[in-house]
Amino acid sequence: DGGITQSPKYLFRKEGQNVTLSCEQNLNHDAMYWYRQDPGQGLRLIYYSQIVNDFQKGDIAEGYSVSREKKESFPLTVTSAQKNPTAFYLCASSIQTGTYEQYFGPGTRLTVT
Amino acid sequence: SQKIEQNSEALNIQEGKTATLTCNYTNYSPAYLQWYRQDPGRGPVFLLLIRENEKEKRKERLKVTFDTTLKQSLFHITASQPADSATYLCALDVSGGYNKLIFGAGTRLAVHP
Repeated sequence: DGGITQSPKYLFRKEGQNVTLSCEQNLNHDAMYWYRQDPGQGLRLIYYSQIVNDFQKGDIAEGYSVSREKKESFPLTVTSAQKNPTAFYLCASSIQTGTYEQYFGPGTRLTVT
Repeated sequence: SQKIEQNSEALNIQEGKTATLTCNYTNYSPAYLQWYRQDPGRGPVFLLLIRENEKEKRKERLKVTFDTTLKQSLFHITASQPADSATYLCALDVSGGYNKLIFGAGTRLAVHP
């Protein structure tokens, strides 16, 4: 059963704590992405990775960090420096960068109080 | 800056009719444009991709047009069904074909029996 998994589905944290969101894919895709979705807004790109051990900042990278040590995994850490971390986080992958569709995971809803 | 506009008001139509959703953009010439479907609380699912040199693309009951002069894409669902009810997102490539996408906020479609 191929696809992208994100865990957990719901995550609750206290303000000031760092939290790491998991994203795993078994599609053998080279490129992976992290987006944030807020109510009434489009998806906004946080970070993306075209290949293992390489990643680039998206439009709203401040307060976030990522790693890409394995092709299958692209975890996102939401740090305490992120001013408004409560949001719906979506991970996606594509065969490679280029004109290809993106496959999305089910998302993680993070609530920080 | 690049801007994508989708009708923020929900589109309500009767079952069997054709739904037409609009995506307008400014300040960019995208190499291609994609349409996704998103159900509440879930990740988007890819539907169609259309390149800048293509005027129209079809897939089953779906049709997408791309007018680079008007900077507009239209997304049509013919013979609509209640199961088509969802939010539809358009996304533009803003990286010259390297799959860095900007998403619109989406239009919610409700198909009534």
